[in-house]
Formats: sequence, C-alpha cells, structure tokens
Amino acid sequence: AQTVTQSQPEMSVQEAETVTLSCTYDTSESNYYLFWYKQPPSRQMILVIRQEAYKQQNATENRFSVNFQKAAKSFSLKISDSQLGDTAMYFCAFMRGLMEYGNKLVFGAGTILRVKS
Amino acid sequence: EADIYQTPRYLVIGTGKKITLECSQTMGHDKMYWYQQDPGMELHLIHYSYGVNSTEKGDLSSESTVSRIRTEHFPLTLESARPSHTSQYLCASSELGGFPTNEKLFFGSGTQLSVL
Repeated sequence: AQTVTQSQPEMSVQEAETVTLSCTYDTSESNYYLFWYKQPPSRQMILVIRQEAYKQQNATENRFSVNFQKAAKSFSLKISDSQLGDTAMYFCAFMRGLMEYGNKLVFGAGTILRVKS
Repeated sequence: EADIYQTPRYLVIGTGKKITLECSQTMGHDKMYWYQQDPGMELHLIHYSYGVNSTEKGDLSSESTVSRIRTEHFPLTLESARPSHTSQYLCASSELGGFPTNEKLFFGSGTQLSVL
C-alpha cells in the first residue's frame, strides 16, 4: 500500500517570501503521479501542480514549483512570492499507474499554510 | 463555487445506533468519494463511486456501506456505530474524464462523528 507523509502540520510565511512544504511517500510502484492540492476555506480542493514519476524535470506552475527526488521518495512544494491568497491547507497526494480508470488519490495529512502581511 | 453538501456537520451518538451521513452535490459529477480522516492523519479513501449503481470499497477497510441510487446523492451508513468509528468523514466529487491532469476534487465540509 502507498503512504504519503507530510511532517509539517502548520507553517507560516511573510507575504512576498518563499516557503517550502515537505512531502515524502512510500511505494513499490515505478509508474505514478504526484500532486499538490490546495484547500482554501471554501473547502474545494484545487489542483496546484502535478508531477509524473517518469519525468526527471521538476514541474513548475507560475509561482509554484516542486523538488522531486525519486530515489529519496520526496516531493516538496516551493511557493515563491507568497500571497495572502495562498493561505490554505495543502495536501500532497499520490496516484499509481497510468490512466487506469479505477485509480484513486492517496492523500497526506495536510499542512496548514498561513501567509502573513 | 463548489456545491457539495454534507449533513450533519457534527453528530454525537451512542454505541449500537444506526446512522446515515448524507452527501449531495449539484454539479452533475459522476465520481463521488468518501474519505475518513483522524486528527493530524492522512485522508483515507473508504468508498467511491463512478456513477449510479456503482460502488467500490476504498483502500481503508470500513464497516460502513454506501449507495448510489441517484447521481447527486451518495449517503454513507453505519448499521451499528462503535467508538472506533469516531472520526471525520469527508465526501468529495469530481468529473469523469478529468484524470489525471485536470483531476479536481470538490469536497464537502465534512461530518465530525463521535460515538460514545
């Protein structure tokens, strides 16, 4: 079974600064996807960024980037130029396989990020 | 704005009672999920459905059951509640065809269940 671990229950960052959220996972699979989801107070889980395990290049989406270390099974999220709207719960998630209809996301416990003005 | 609703928000009940946690969404999503989360722990998938009359067990074994008679409704039932069932239960939905790039889950506000 796959497990996802987020060791930082809460983090704070000043507006405009950079913050890194940690995530490690455990799997015996070779093909899988990793995700970071953001859950603001509205409760809707929003996809932030996605990484395919077979790609060595780290994914980036505007101010969001990941540091994917496959051998170490580490998948951290870096948020640059933090904004007040980034305040949310962030979940790291794992999905095994390729395009299988029955695949499901396995989530970590989440990290609460607070951006301070 | 996400339109997925869970009731009740909080439930405190005695051992042995039958309970049903309600989950409804008005977005027409085919995929619906039930997750269980203890404080500070991972979200664990306990049930999912890809459409009407389709239900499957998730990765975490659960004594609860679900039904999907209508697209918008995905209730979870515990026939005989026990203290070990105390947890937060989160319902979610998503569109078919969003996998995996655009997989977007919409979560309800959750039900905090306490069994005495």
